[in-house]
Amino acid sequence: DSGVTQTPKHLITATGQRVTLRCSPRSGDLSVYWYQQSLDQGLQFLIQYYNGEERAKGNILERFSAQQFPDLHSELNLSSLELGDSALYFCASSPGTATGELFFGEGSRLTVL
Amino acid sequence: KNEVEQSPQNLTAQEGEFITINCSYSVGISALHWLQQHPGGGIVSLFMLSSGKKKHGRLIATINIQEKHSSLHITASHPRDSAVYICAVRWGNAGNMLTFGGGTRLMVKP
Repeated sequence: DSGVTQTPKHLITATGQRVTLRCSPRSGDLSVYWYQQSLDQGLQFLIQYYNGEERAKGNILERFSAQQFPDLHSELNLSSLELGDSALYFCASSPGTATGELFFGEGSRLTVL
Repeated sequence: KNEVEQSPQNLTAQEGEFITINCSYSVGISALHWLQQHPGGGIVSLFMLSSGKKKHGRLIATINIQEKHSSLHITASHPRDSAVYICAVRWGNAGNMLTFGGGTRLMVKP
C-alpha cells in the first residue's frame, strides 16, 4: 500500500460528459502529480501541484484541469470527454518538488463510450 | 526531441534466470526512475538513481551517465516478477516532470 488513494477505481461515461477524479496523497507529501496511461501513448505526465500551487505542466489538454486543495488532496477534472480520453489516470505524490521517489495510487480507469 | 527507449519490448524467461532490461535516453538527465506495473495496473517505484548502482533484494539498477544508459537486473527471477517494467527520466531541472519509456513486458515461467 503506497498510501496514495485514488477514487473512483473505475468510471464509465459517455462522450461529451464531465468527470472528476480524486487523489489523496501520502501523509506528509506536498506534491501531487497526475499521469495518463493510454494504449497508444503509454504513460504521459499531465500536471504537478505543490502545496496548492501548479508547479509543472505537461501534455494536459485544455479540456482537462486540476487543482490541489488546502488539505492537499487533488482533483483532475476532465470535460467534453472524447473516446480517446479512455485511459488509466494515475496520481502520485512525493514529499518535495523534485526530490525523492514517487508513490503511486492504484489508478482510475476511465472508459468513454 | 527528448526520448527514452527501452529494450526489449517483451521478454520471456524461465524461473531462476538472470534478467536485464535496458533504458537509453537522448540527453542529460537529473534522475532516472525504474517502475514496476503489475497486471492489475498499479505502479510501484522500484528505484530512483542519478549515478552508480542501487540494489534492493534481487533487483539491481545501474546507470552510466556518460553513455546515457541504465539497466535493471533481476537475479534468480521468479514468476511473481512478471510485470511491465518502465523506465522514466527527469530532464535537467524539470521538477518531477517525467518522460516515460514504452515499458518492457516480462513474463517469468515456472
